[in-house]
This record gives sequence, C-alpha cells and structure tokens, in this order.
Amino acid sequence: SYVLTQPPSVSVAPGKTARITCGGNNIGSKSVHWYQQKPGQAPVLVIYYDSDRPSGIPERFSGSNSGNTATLTISRVEAGDEADYYCQVWDSSSEVVFGGGTKLTVL
Amino acid sequence: QVQLQESGPGLVKPSQTLSLTCTVSGGSISSGSYYWSWIRQPAGKGLEWIGRIYTSGSTNYNPSLKSRVTISVDTSKNQFSLKLSSVTAADTAVYYCARDPGGGSFQDWGQGTLVTVSS
Repeated sequence: SYVLTQPPSVSVAPGKTARITCGGNNIGSKSVHWYQQKPGQAPVLVIYYDSDRPSGIPERFSGSNSGNTATLTISRVEAGDEADYYCQVWDSSSEVVFGGGTKLTVL
Repeated sequence: QVQLQESGPGLVKPSQTLSLTCTVSGGSISSGSYYWSWIRQPAGKGLEWIGRIYTSGSTNYNPSLKSRVTISVDTSKNQFSLKLSSVTAADTAVYYCARDPGGGSFQDWGQGTLVTVSS
C-alpha cells in the first residue's frame, strides 16, 4: 500500500515561513491535497491539486510537488495558523491515503 | 453552500454494527458528479479514509476495512450511510462524512460525530 510520510512537528516564529513536507514514492506523479485541522474541528482543505487554493484560503498558503516530496508552504506565519496539517493523495491500489499529520507550532 | 451532518448512536457494543448517516443540505446528493466519503479519526491520531459512494451508487472501500464496511445512499432523503460490522475498541473514533467533487480532494466536511465502542 502507498505510504505518505510527514514530520510529526514543525515549529516556526511568527512572520517567518513554515514548510511542511509529505514524502511518497514518486509522489510527483500524483495530485496532492492538504488539510488544516484545528483542535475539535473538522479538517479544512487549504491546497488541492498540488498548488491550487480554494476560495477563502489566504495567498500565504502555497504548495508544490515534485519527485518524492510534496511541500506545503505557509508564508508570514500567524498564530492562527497553529494546527495539524495532513497531506492526502488518491492511489490506485490503496484508494485514498492520508499522511500521518504534522503539528505546526507557532513560537 | 452544501452542508453535511453526521448522525447516529454515540455508543456501540463490541461485535455489533456501527451505523451512521450523513444528511446533505444545500444541494441534491444526486446532482453533479460527486463522491461521498466516510473518514474517521481516533482520538489524538490521524485521518483514515473508510470508503466512498458515487452519485451512481458505485462504491470504493479502504482495503483494510473492506470486509466490514457498507456504504449506501438514499437519494429520497438526501442521505448516505455507513455500516461497519464486528466493531472493536479500535473502531472508536470521530467519524466524518465529506464530499469530493471528483478530483480526489475533500472540499466539504461534516462536523464529525464521536462513536465509542464499549460494553
């Protein structure tokens, strides 16, 4: 089955740039989606198709995908960005696959 | 703006069948080319996709749960449902329903409902 690997945690100071990676075998050939989940809330889609932003998501959120790594980049990080972030793909053998999640801490 | 709302028992006994319903409002469940999914999350853990049903009624399931899962749709009630049989404590989780417009991403989610498996 297909596996997505995320770092358990990432820390960043306010105003700086956070980068959260999602590793997978030849993930660059797949479409990657990213979700933000705050405590007690349902996940919210922040990036789809590698780099597209749904309406209402700030331009500070961006994504890229190449080779074996996809990356979610959050620029000018704010305290309100503190949350868990999950990557997700569709794999023909495993169907929908989520990464293990990354806890973003704003220092 | 479509809204999804999960409902069902919050407590299920071991070995029994967990049954949940997702009610869709703000749009018809049978219009458009949407996939309707169930996703769960044990406390303090990550997201796990359970399965989905297409507007036509065709289904796909997580291979690890396939033998225990049934997802169905009731277009007259604008609902889709999840049945998970032979539950154990490991099935205790918050269960979400979600909508995928066809590209594999989940753009709309319900608020989630906690199901505890315990005697």
